[in-house]
Amino acid sequence: AQSVTQPDIHITVSEGASLELRCNYSYGATPYLFWYVQSPGQGLQLLLKYFSGDTLVQGIKGFEAEFKRSQSSFNLRKPSVHWSDAAEYFCAVCNQAGTALIFGKGTTLSVSS
Amino acid sequence: AAGVIQSPRHLIKEKRETATLKCYPIPRHDTVYWYQQGPGQDPQFLISFYEKMQSDKGSIPDRFSAQQFSDYHSELNMSSLELGDSALYFCASSFQRLSYEQYFGPGTRLTVT
Repeated sequence: AQSVTQPDIHITVSEGASLELRCNYSYGATPYLFWYVQSPGQGLQLLLKYFSGDTLVQGIKGFEAEFKRSQSSFNLRKPSVHWSDAAEYFCAVCNQAGTALIFGKGTTLSVSS
Repeated sequence: AAGVIQSPRHLIKEKRETATLKCYPIPRHDTVYWYQQGPGQDPQFLISFYEKMQSDKGSIPDRFSAQQFSDYHSELNMSSLELGDSALYFCASSFQRLSYEQYFGPGTRLTVT
């Protein structure tokens, strides 16, 4: 069965520092992968998605992610974090039947000044 | 651009009561998905509909039922509410079961007291 693992429950980064959030997936074929961000009590905002093609995907708010099939990973990166980036980040994969999204447990990002 | 509309945005119910959540998909979208996100949890897929027929079923309790109407809006009916049903309920929509192109609504926060 498909699954998504986000190894880091909580990460703290200094403002202006670079960020990398890890995501590993379990999937038999080429996966459809997503990163969402959620502020407290708010909805899910799509940051970026990967279907095929270029393995480096650019998203909104200066985020990017790289698909690495050999490592079954889809890590999210940002070169310089802003205080407003503090939120919960979810990695997700489309299930094999293509009928729903499967989310990871999420990583909470805190930004220190 | 029109987005997914969910109503109500907030709902407070008592144990054993019934609740109905509504979802209005993006115009021309014919597929609706429901997700439940408990406090501090990741979103879990409940159920989806395509062209008024159930498309896929996830971890939806037997006390819950849902349907999609001719105008493609969907309703999630929840009976015999329990404290554990307190959660953020997301609806998403897509065109022709393209679940990798889901657009999420803002969510309905249900609190059961």
